[in-house]
Amino acid sequence: AQKVTQAQTEISVVEKEDVTLDCVYETRDTTYYLFWYKQPPSGELVFLIRRNSFDEQNEISGRYSWNFQKSTSSFNFTITASQVVDSAVYFCALSEALAAGNKLTFGGGTRVLVKP
Amino acid sequence: EPEVTQTPSHQVTQMGQEVILRCVPISNHLYFYWYRQILGQKVEFLVSFYNNEISEKSEIFDDQFSVERPDGSNFTLKIRSTKLEDSAMYFCASHKSLGLAEETQYFGPGTRLLVL
Repeated sequence: AQKVTQAQTEISVVEKEDVTLDCVYETRDTTYYLFWYKQPPSGELVFLIRRNSFDEQNEISGRYSWNFQKSTSSFNFTITASQVVDSAVYFCALSEALAAGNKLTFGGGTRVLVKP
Repeated sequence: EPEVTQTPSHQVTQMGQEVILRCVPISNHLYFYWYRQILGQKVEFLVSFYNNEISEKSEIFDDQFSVERPDGSNFTLKIRSTKLEDSAMYFCASHKSLGLAEETQYFGPGTRLLVL
């Protein structure tokens, strides 16, 4: 069964600091996808980034970057130079490519509070 | 940019009443999902739907729940006899097809259900 763990429940930073969110996953599949979603105070779920299990190349997209390491089953996410608008709950999620329903399994979320 | 829409945004109902939550997925998407999020908790998978049938359902999705795609655009979740513990935010999601980019699930804004 698939499982996603986000050990950090809440992180508080001052604006312009970098924030790194940890995510550890479990899956028996060799082909899977990893995602990060943002849930601002308004409640919607906003897709941020995705990665597949065959591509461990780490990338940067604007102020977002991620570090995918299969060896440790981790998919960490960093916000560089945080802004107040980054305050939200961030969810890491996993889907197994060969599963019948392609469901997303979410971690418990990490609440990020960026103070001015 | 196309988006998933959900109605109503909020619904208050009495215990034992039936509710229908409505979703309009992105128009060229083929895979549909319902998730729920009890206040302050993680997002949980309920059911996935493809080709007019359920692909997978969770333990939460018992006989009180049903899904339907009554026409070419709407995707509904019905709860036959609501319980207090059904109070949650319900998210609809959809994705286009299979393959990494196509499997990114896009979420609607959610329906907040309160059962009294």
